[in-house]
Amino acid sequence: EVQLVESGGGLVQPGGSLRLSCAASGFAFSNSWMSWVRQAPGKGPEWLGNINTDGSQKFYVGSVRGRFTFSRDNAKNSLYLQMNSLRAEDTAVYYCAKDAGYNHFDHWGQGTLVTVSS
Amino acid sequence: EFVLTQSPDTLSLSPGERATLSCRASQSVSSSYLAWYQHKPDQAPRLLIYDASSRATGIPDRFSGSGSGTDFTLTISRLEPEDFAVYYCQQYGSSVTFGQGTKVEIK
Repeated sequence: EVQLVESGGGLVQPGGSLRLSCAASGFAFSNSWMSWVRQAPGKGPEWLGNINTDGSQKFYVGSVRGRFTFSRDNAKNSLYLQMNSLRAEDTAVYYCAKDAGYNHFDHWGQGTLVTVSS
Repeated sequence: EFVLTQSPDTLSLSPGERATLSCRASQSVSSSYLAWYQHKPDQAPRLLIYDASSRATGIPDRFSGSGSGTDFTLTISRLEPEDFAVYYCQQYGSSVTFGQGTKVEIK
């Protein structure tokens, strides 16, 4: 069974940093492109970007480029999201998602909540 | 900017009824690269439909997708109790964009 489990969310002050993790199991993680998606309260999901199978290629959407960094450790079947210079508008549930091909997602985690507030 | 507009915002129906959800794109969706997801509270979103009309693995055939260009539809032929949830469309022909969602609630 495919499982994606996010962790690392919590309350952080504006300007602060947080690192999210996504533990993957039940599929060939090292062969899979992965994405991060977030959903702010009352809004639709927002795709943040993706990372290729060996971590050598990363794409970021404009709202997070330069502040967020994707990485992965295939030996640990883990995906990471380093978030710096956090803003109130980054408050959301953050999901990792497995790419089924061409940027649609056949498996998602349950998400981890990040709250940016003083 | 690619915008997906879903309608209605909320659909109030009874089990056994047919649900028709709409997703309209601000520009044509390349190669019908459109997906539908189901999302229930505190659960992971679930892929239902991809490429506008292909059912994902394990999805019951009461779920069907149709459309092309800028207008797409998700149809649930007969609502089961477990189908009451929020549904999102997503285009992946030009970067990735999601709609704002349609909530299917019990009438």
